[in-house]
Amino acid sequence: QKEVEQDPGPLSVPEGAIVSLNCTYSNSAFQYFMWYRQYSRKGPELLMYTYSSGNKEDGRFTAQVDKSSKHISLFIRDSQPSDSATYLCASSPFGNEKLTFGTGTRLTIIP
Amino acid sequence: EPEVTQTPSHQVTQMGQEVILRCVPISNHLYFYWYRQILGQKVEFLVSFYNNEISEKSEIFDDQFSVERPDGSNFTLKIRSTKLEDSAMYFCASSPGLAAGGNEQFFGPGTRLTVL
Repeated sequence: QKEVEQDPGPLSVPEGAIVSLNCTYSNSAFQYFMWYRQYSRKGPELLMYTYSSGNKEDGRFTAQVDKSSKHISLFIRDSQPSDSATYLCASSPFGNEKLTFGTGTRLTIIP
Repeated sequence: EPEVTQTPSHQVTQMGQEVILRCVPISNHLYFYWYRQILGQKVEFLVSFYNNEISEKSEIFDDQFSVERPDGSNFTLKIRSTKLEDSAMYFCASSPGLAAGGNEQFFGPGTRLTVL
């Protein structure tokens, strides 16, 4: 069983829609959860960082962690064509330890 | 805004040759990492480095790989004898550490390594 699973997509939505991206994980020790955005052949760019369960909002982005179901979500409101990228979820058990990544979901926002 | 930088952006080498990938982490960060991403696959952890020593390494990080922080700013990954399967994007990342501000890992733009 993969430690972090993510639907690879591709996912296409019209501009302005709300996007929901999801991951599940199997390692109960995971406490730190991150979402990265990666444009083609570029480095992962940190979008959101959360610790343990709960919600965190930053502008149009909301990260949600439910440790009881081992489910991680990223919501993008008012999606823009510039949001088109691959979104990676990543987790680690302790701060500053290695990140375990999902495979990434490729998102396209259609103008 | 400070960022992680990596050189070169693209490295082409012959199988069996040694390569050194270079990274300049964000100033005052304490934790350093190397990850790699084979084309079309997920990002994989290679090694973490703290206080001038390796703190963790993956199965991928065998005797052909080594890391070094030769001075106060650079962080390098050396592959002694490259194999075809080493072809990938290599990402350097750094983190300030909880005491210095947080556990977030910030990634560089990557070095694309092509082994012929």
